[in-house]
Amino acid sequence: KDQVFQPSTVASSEGAVVEIFCNHSVSNAYNFFWYLHFPGCAPRLLVKGSKPSQQGRYNMTYERFSSSLLILQVREADAAVYYCAVCEGNTPLVFGKGTRLSVIA
Amino acid sequence: DSGVTQTPKHLITATGQRVTLRCSPRSGDLSVYWYQQSLDQGLQFLIQYYNGEERAKGNILERFSAQQFPDLHSELNLSSLELGDSALYFCASSLGTSGSLITGELFFGEGSRLTVL
Repeated sequence: KDQVFQPSTVASSEGAVVEIFCNHSVSNAYNFFWYLHFPGCAPRLLVKGSKPSQQGRYNMTYERFSSSLLILQVREADAAVYYCAVCEGNTPLVFGKGTRLSVIA
Repeated sequence: DSGVTQTPKHLITATGQRVTLRCSPRSGDLSVYWYQQSLDQGLQFLIQYYNGEERAKGNILERFSAQQFPDLHSELNLSSLELGDSALYFCASSLGTSGSLITGELFFGEGSRLTVL
């Protein structure tokens, strides 16, 4: 059953701020994890936490059951799949189905 | 480079066959996870091992099994393969358990793409 929800696609223009929203229904999950995946490469962690945080051009907002990943000054090279994940206690991460970002020059 | 190595990168086989996927975790990581990525299904958790012992089980079919060896590498065995098993299989490792913000960061390999014909 789906527990982590995120849009399947998001489109943005180059230079804009793009927001990818995620929400979950996992009752005891408190931490969000945002992963970036370029096809053919290993998914890698962008930002994580249980409070708003920033790593370079990546901002993470935080609410108890939702989070948004904001990518500042988006570039064509940012076109990839972004995964949101949460975990309940020490259980393995539950991932959403991923959001494919397309960037229009 | 995440430090997680998966082999083979690509594998093509026929229905009914059996294959083994191998994963070497990052040096020092004790947890190994297997995830399946099928079309439009995102990353589905299959199974986790911690220091040689099964720690958690997800949506893993009975035809699939895994183990973690004393040197901490892991193998995922897929048997009686069906067309629907075609997917990208990711291995990930972490120092500790995934819930911890400090030790739970998952480092992924590049995946093994399985095609069942």
